[in-house]
Amino acid sequence: ILNVEQSPQSLHVQEGDSTNFTCSFPSSNFYALHWYRWETAKSPEALFVMTLNGDEKKKGRISATLNTKEGYSYLYIKGSQPEDSATYLCAFPTDSNYQLIWGAGTKLIIKP
Amino acid sequence: NAGVTQTPKFRVLKTGQSMTLLCAQDMNHEYMYWYRQDPGMGLRLIHYSVGEGTTAKGEVPDGYNVSRLKKQNFLLGLESAAPSQTSVYFCASQRGADTQYFGPGTRLTVL
Repeated sequence: ILNVEQSPQSLHVQEGDSTNFTCSFPSSNFYALHWYRWETAKSPEALFVMTLNGDEKKKGRISATLNTKEGYSYLYIKGSQPEDSATYLCAFPTDSNYQLIWGAGTKLIIKP
Repeated sequence: NAGVTQTPKFRVLKTGQSMTLLCAQDMNHEYMYWYRQDPGMGLRLIHYSVGEGTTAKGEVPDGYNVSRLKKQNFLLGLESAAPSQTSVYFCASQRGADTQYFGPGTRLTVL
């Protein structure tokens, strides 16, 4: 059974501090790794789709790295702001395009 | 573009009643999905479709049926609602290996 694991489950970070969290996925039959941001009472929004080993993607203060050989991806947030508070989900396609397997998410809370 | 829309936004049902949730997308995406999201759990796939006229079961399909008669619409049906189906339902669509685009969600309560 394919499994995507995220750690930690939740994280409290002081405003201004930088933080990171992990997504672990099966390293065999890799297609892609998705990161999404999910704010409370809203719907998930895509951050990145990563496909190549060693890939690094950046969107503003948020960046992600990918290691397909060892099966993990890190999401980094630099200089956390209150608006970064959300649950960050990663997801792994089971085959070429469809059926994403979702991690349970890391809930990030930024303390002012 | 409206993106992905869901109807209704909220619904309260009694046990045994039936209803249909409608998902519509205007991005010409081939793939569409229905998920449910419950407290403390991640997104769980109910059913999905890889094209007009095709559907497939996901992780938690029991008690639900779906139809994709038109490419832009994906319907989720509950024939006989149960309290265990109280949840927030999200529809999503996807083109190829791109990201999934989500609708705003439908909050369903079954009494």
